[in-house]
Amino acid sequence: GAVVSQHPSRVICKSGTSVKIECRSLDFQATTMFWYRQFPKKSLMLMATSNEGSKATYEQGVEKDKFLINHASLTLSTLTVTSAHPEDSSFYICSGKRGYEQYFGPGTRLTVT
Amino acid sequence: RKEVEQDPGPFNVPEGATVAFNCTYSNSASQSFFWYRQDCRKEPKLLMSVYSSGNEDGRFTAQLNRASQYISLLIRDSKLSDSATYLCVVNKDSGAGSYQLTFGKGTKLSVIP
Repeated sequence: GAVVSQHPSRVICKSGTSVKIECRSLDFQATTMFWYRQFPKKSLMLMATSNEGSKATYEQGVEKDKFLINHASLTLSTLTVTSAHPEDSSFYICSGKRGYEQYFGPGTRLTVT
Repeated sequence: RKEVEQDPGPFNVPEGATVAFNCTYSNSASQSFFWYRQDCRKEPKLLMSVYSSGNEDGRFTAQLNRASQYISLLIRDSKLSDSATYLCVVNKDSGAGSYQLTFGKGTKLSVIP
C-alpha cells in the first residue's frame, strides 16, 4: 500500500482559535487528496476534495471559509479549521488518491474546549 | 435507497468461523469497489479492491454482482485480529471521469476466543 501521514495526531484547542492539520503522501504523489470527518459511531463523511494547484471542492453543507484547504504540492495538503467551536470536535482524516485507490492518513483527533 | 448500504451488525463469531458480509449500492454507474477495515478510533485501511470476476486474498474473498448491485466479503478461518468494522466503499462515477468514494456505515465484526 501507500503511506499517508497526518500531523498532529491529536490536538486540543480553545474555542475561537484556529487549528492547522497537515496531510502528506510519503511514497507517492497525490494529485488529489480528500478530507473527511468522522463523528463517534458514525460513518466517514467527505468534507472536500483537494486538487494540487487548484481550489478545493467542498461538499454541500461544509463551509469553505471555515475549513480552509491548501494543496500546494503533490505531497502536501493542509486543512485549517478557523475559529473552532466545540461542535467541530471530531476525527479528521485525510486520504491520498493513487490510481483508483485511496490511502488514509492516521487521522487527527480534534477537541475544542 | 441509501447509496451504499450495509448490515451494521454486530457479527459475533467464534475463532475459526467463516463469516460473510453483504453490501448493496444504488448507483448502477459505479465503477470500482473496495472493502476497507477500520479499527476503533483508527483510520480506514484498504483491505482489498473488488473485481468483476471476484478475487481472493488469503482468507478473504470478495465478489461483485453488477446486475444485483451487490458486493460481498467472505472471511474464512476468522482470527481474533479480524475484529474490526468493515466498510463497503463504492466509487461513484458522476460523469466526466470524476471520482468520489462513497462509504457504507460499516459492519462490525467481533471474533470471540
